[in-house]
Amino acid sequence: NAGVTQTPKFQVLKTGQSMTLQCAQDMNHEYMSWYRQDPGMGLRLIHYSVGAGITDQGEVPNGYNVSRSTTEDFPLRLLSAAPSQTSVYFCASSVAGTPRNEQFFGPGTRLTVL
Amino acid sequence: ILNVEQSPQSLHVQEGDSTNFTCSFPSSNFYALHWYRWETAKSPEALFVMTLNGDEKKKGRISATLNTKEGYSYLYIKGSQPEDSATYLCAFPWVGNDYKLSFGAGTTVTVRA
Repeated sequence: NAGVTQTPKFQVLKTGQSMTLQCAQDMNHEYMSWYRQDPGMGLRLIHYSVGAGITDQGEVPNGYNVSRSTTEDFPLRLLSAAPSQTSVYFCASSVAGTPRNEQFFGPGTRLTVL
Repeated sequence: ILNVEQSPQSLHVQEGDSTNFTCSFPSSNFYALHWYRWETAKSPEALFVMTLNGDEKKKGRISATLNTKEGYSYLYIKGSQPEDSATYLCAFPWVGNDYKLSFGAGTTVTVRA
């Protein structure tokens, strides 16, 4: 099993550009989520999904869109990149949408917006 | 959104010494508490998910205790080794929405040889 994979590992964007961060898992997990990590702060939840076709907002959803057309994939779209979105982004998954299950994290995408 | 507090923010430990640090969370409506270890240049990995008051869990030299009535959990590292150097995160689900985890800012442990 590859676990949770993310692409790209690094990305530099200009302000106003759009892009999609890819996330995939091969563990048949129902629950998937996106976090951003900024210096001095804990991981902050952007969006999450409890199954294919179901998504919801987390703590910091503005400027991001998600969709979940399959169990395996959960892409994160930046609509119009801003310098405030410079961060490290982690995708995570767990067996089911209950916090009694541990989350498995991908390797992260380091995004810089100029 | 919940406040999950971790203290201290960082600590330095001599190899072989033991140490502990704290995660504080709201004591009402407890559901679960997670601990993760996050090594530099890697992704966070789960250590424990704790669900019952008085829970004690252990993985190698690392153990954790849980007090849901007073809203805190301790993580202990016994006989610290350089490979224990990492940031340790705790996470707690938002009250009223079990699917969202609030993470603390972490305690960064540096073990000196």
